[in-house]
Parts: sequence; C-alpha cells; structure tokens
Amino acid sequence: GQQVMQIPQYQHVQEGEDFTTYCNSSTTLSNIQWYKQRPGGHPVFLIQLVKSGEVKKQKRLTFQFGEAKKNSSLHITATQTTDVGTYFCAAMTGSNYKLTFGKGTLLTVNP
Amino acid sequence: EAGVTQFPSHSVIEKGQTVTLRCDPISGHDNLYWYRRVMGKEIKFLLHFVKESKQDESGMPNNRFLAERTGGTYSTLKVQPAELEDSGVYFCASSQEGQGFWTEQETQYFGPGTRLLVL
Repeated sequence: GQQVMQIPQYQHVQEGEDFTTYCNSSTTLSNIQWYKQRPGGHPVFLIQLVKSGEVKKQKRLTFQFGEAKKNSSLHITATQTTDVGTYFCAAMTGSNYKLTFGKGTLLTVNP
Repeated sequence: EAGVTQFPSHSVIEKGQTVTLRCDPISGHDNLYWYRRVMGKEIKFLLHFVKESKQDESGMPNNRFLAERTGGTYSTLKVQPAELEDSGVYFCASSQEGQGFWTEQETQYFGPGTRLLVL
C-alpha cells in the first residue's frame, strides 16, 4: 500500500539552530499535510500543500512540496523550546480522503 | 467551537475483554475518521465515514473491530475480543464535506485520542 517515508526519526538541536524534516513517496500525491503533536497531545494541523513546487511560510516555518509532488519538507528557522514535539507529514492520493502518515520526526530543543 | 472529543481518554483492559471507544466530531462535520498509532509505528488509517455511511474501511485490521455511526453524529469503535496487539492510541478526526479541490475544507481535525492498553 501507499507509504510515506519520513526522516530523520529524531533530531536534537540547540535553541537557535535550524531544523528540517523530509517526507518522500514513491507515488504522486494529491496533497500533503503537516501536523505537529506535542508530547502527550494529539496531531494538530499546520498546513496543506497542493500545487507542484508550492512553498508556504508560517513565521519561522517553511513548507515545500516537490515539483513532482512526491516529496515535501518542513524547515524551522532558529528553533525555540516551544517547537518541541513530533512533526508528521500526511499525504492523500487520488480522490481518497484517508491520510497516510509518515512515522514522524521527534524534535527536541536544548535551551 | 468545540473540537473533536473522545471518550474515554484511557482504557486498561484484559485480553479477551470488550472495549468501546466513542468519538464526537466537530458539529456539522460530515466526515469522520478513525486512526490508530501502535507503539513505535506510524499513525494508520482505520476507516472513514461520510455521515452514517462507511466510505472506506480498508484500514480495519480484522473483524474484531466494529465501527458504527448511527444517525451520522457520534461514532463508536468496538474491539471484541481485545488482543495484546490492539494496544495503542486511537485517534478520531473529522472534516467538513470537501469539494475535492483540496481546500481547507478537507482539513482533518484530530481529537485527543484514547490510549488503550490490553494486558
């Protein structure tokens, strides 16, 4: 079945350093969504990317969707302790509404 | 506006027992989804309701799992009999009726989850 590979699995950074997580699929995606889950919490929607080559920004977060719509990345500039959590990408294919999640990247930030 | 709610927040049962999880979607959301995250694995889709109809149940692991959404409002997910490998966090999500153009209407809002432990 559809798989979305996400790396790295873990990332520890010093506060102020940048962070990037990557997702990759072998098949073309209809869209890709990014979620953040704080420790003990639930996935909270961050953004959705639909168009080939799309780039969206939310303050220090930059989201990209690849030209072939098979990969995506989330980049955080100058991390803060509030960025701690697990970041998941989740993709839809075709007209199917079900989300296929990556395994997530757990980000820890050392103050 | 209230978010997606789930009950119970935690459940500890013995192998062979029955557990029923409940999800109340955001009011007005026709789409309701169940997902599960087993320890160390990714969040996996279980099934999708549109109102009271099962749109896609391709992710249901086996016939020990039964999901219902009578009346198209809240949904229940029953596991009977529970096995050790059913332990995990069960998330429910809901979204508005989408138009298929991948707008914000397709955004799935997740509930807090039910943490199930089968001993």
